[in-house]
Amino acid sequence: NAGVTQTPKFRVLKTGQSMTLLCAQDMNHEYMYWYRQDPGMGLRLIHYSVGEGTTAKGEVPDGYNVSRLKKQNFLLGLESAAPSQTSVYFCASSYSSGGPRFFGPGTRLTVL
Amino acid sequence: GQQLNQSPQSMFIQEGEDVSMNCTSSSIFNTWLWYKQDPGEGPVLLIALYKAGELTSNGRLTAQFGITRKDSFLNISASIPSDVGIYFCAGPNNAGNNRKLIWGLGTSLAVNP
Repeated sequence: NAGVTQTPKFRVLKTGQSMTLLCAQDMNHEYMYWYRQDPGMGLRLIHYSVGEGTTAKGEVPDGYNVSRLKKQNFLLGLESAAPSQTSVYFCASSYSSGGPRFFGPGTRLTVL
Repeated sequence: GQQLNQSPQSMFIQEGEDVSMNCTSSSIFNTWLWYKQDPGEGPVLLIALYKAGELTSNGRLTAQFGITRKDSFLNISASIPSDVGIYFCAGPNNAGNNRKLIWGLGTSLAVNP
């Protein structure tokens, strides 16, 4: 039981490049979330999903897109990376709507 | 908008000491969640509180849902070095949507062995 895994762990992009962050969970959870964590800002919700094929916007969705084609996977895409998207990205999942229960180890993204 | 204020911002204690931290809100919350984040890791849910006045323990950790519903407290008894990390409180937004949590900025705990 791996829990929540994230790929990659680290990434450096140039402004304007695109990339996809992959989150996978093996707990059959319905709810999945993408957060970003910045110093002094705390955790901020980017997008979330309440089930396969569904996605919804969080607090800071601009510049990001997501997809949940399979229940166990939640992808976060950056179409044209900007330096303001330099952050640590966390994926999380839960079996109910009571908030994220399990977090992944994070992806540290730097946009130059 | 809603904000959660955590205090203290940081603590440096001796191993074996008890720790108290709190989280306050300008508005009423129906749920309080407490998480711990170890350096370089994602947060881990420690305790969830759902009723005013509720007192819940998880090992050496005890959390309380304040009776005013505008605050919550986390206590750690007999601290040990592995308690080091950042402790976050969180609660649902105005609409009671637990998918969109409001987060505090955390209390950073350092333990001197």
